[in-house]
Amino acid sequence: QKEVEQDPGPLSVPEGAIVSLNCTYSNSAFQYFMWYRQYSRKGPELLMYTYSSGNKEDGRFTAQVDKSSKYISLFIRDSQPSDSATYLCAMRQGNTGTASKLTFGTGTRLQVML
Amino acid sequence: GAGVSQSPSNKVTEKGKDVELRCDPISGHTALYWYRQRLGQGLEFLIYFQGNSAPDKSGLPSDRFSAERTGESVSTLTIQRTQQEDSAVYLCASSSRTGGSGYTFGSGTRLTVV
Repeated sequence: QKEVEQDPGPLSVPEGAIVSLNCTYSNSAFQYFMWYRQYSRKGPELLMYTYSSGNKEDGRFTAQVDKSSKYISLFIRDSQPSDSATYLCAMRQGNTGTASKLTFGTGTRLQVML
Repeated sequence: GAGVSQSPSNKVTEKGKDVELRCDPISGHTALYWYRQRLGQGLEFLIYFQGNSAPDKSGLPSDRFSAERTGESVSTLTIQRTQQEDSAVYLCASSSRTGGSGYTFGSGTRLTVV
């Protein structure tokens, strides 16, 4: 079993839809949770960063972390064609040393259609 | 520089040849990471450098893989006697020592072994 599980998709939605992306994980030591967006032939770009459980909102994006269930989510409101990309969840145990290594999900490919 | 720079962006090599991939991190970022991304898979951790500390090499898949970093600047990842299963995108990322938000990734080197 992988440490971080993520549905690879693809997920196709119409423009304007609310998108829900999710990851589950097995290591309770993870404290820091991130969502990255990766366009084709580009490196991952940080979208959202959350410490421990709770919600964080940034514009059209909301990240949720439920540590009791080992479950994280990313919501995208009013989705746009420019949101079409692969979304990777990532997490780590700490900020320094070996604990700062990120463990990634496989990524979910999202396509927002006109 | 303004971002993490990786070169070359693409590399095609024959099986059995050695290759060297380069990463220029963001100026002032003391931590540097190498990841590998195979087609349809998440990012796999390879190696981590933090300042003058001994690198964390726990993710290197075999002794054909090695990496060096000069102080807090450029890093090179070397793959000796390349195999077809080494074909992947090799991504470099850097971050400040204090962590905080997630890493900044480069655009990667796409390696194809034929």
